[in-house]
Amino acid sequence: QQQVKQSPQSLIVQKGGIPIINCAYENTAFDYFPWYQQFPGKGPALLIAIRPDVSEKKEGRFTISFNKSAKQFSLHIMDSQPGDSATYFCAAGAPNSGYALNFGKGTSLLVTP
Amino acid sequence: GAVVSQHPSWVICKSGTSVKIECRSLDFQATTMFWYRQFPKQSLMLMATSNEGSKATYEQGVEKDKFLINHASLTLSTLTVTSAHPEDSSFYICSANSGANVLTFGAGSRLTVL
Repeated sequence: QQQVKQSPQSLIVQKGGIPIINCAYENTAFDYFPWYQQFPGKGPALLIAIRPDVSEKKEGRFTISFNKSAKQFSLHIMDSQPGDSATYFCAAGAPNSGYALNFGKGTSLLVTP
Repeated sequence: GAVVSQHPSWVICKSGTSVKIECRSLDFQATTMFWYRQFPKQSLMLMATSNEGSKATYEQGVEKDKFLINHASLTLSTLTVTSAHPEDSSFYICSANSGANVLTFGAGSRLTVL
C-alpha cells in the first residue's frame, strides 16, 4: 500500500525551467516530509525537508510548498540545470514509527541543455 | 555531516549462499537503523527497522528468517540474506537517524544472485 503518492512519474524541462513534483498523503500522523535526490547506482541524498508547522521552505534553488489541509506537498526546483537530472523521491515519516520513511514512487527528472 | 557507510557496495553470489551487508554510522550513534530494498527503477521499500540490542521489526511480507538483521552496537547493523536466490537481487540501502529525525542514507549495496 503506497502511503505517499507522487506525480509525475517522469518530467523533462529545459535548462532554467522550474520542474514541479507533487506528493500527497493520507496518514495524518505524518509530521516530517523530506525530499531525496538519487543518482543511478547511488543511495538517496536528503535535499530538503519540511514539517507541518510551515507552509513553505527554501534552501538554495529548492523549495517545498506544503498544504496541510489538502495533505499535499510539492518540490520546486528553480533555475534547473542539467546536473539536476536525477530521480526525486518524496517521503513522509511519523513519530510513532520512529520516522521510518514511506517513499513515493519517484520522479525521473531530465533537464535538457 | 553525518555519514552512513555500507559494505560491500557490490556483491555477486551464487544461488543458495548467504551474504552479509554491513551498515555503519561513522560519526554518530544510532539506536535505530532502517533497511530498505530498491528494485530497478522503483521506489525504496522499507524492509525492517533495526534496533540496537533488541530484535528487528519487519515489515509485512518480509521474511525475517531470510533477512537476518543484527544491531549489536550503536554504530553497526548487519543484514544477512540467507539462501539467496536470483529474485533477491536488488539494491539494499540502510539509513540511520542522525539527529532531529533526519535520516542519513548509505550509498547502498547492490546484490546480484546468479
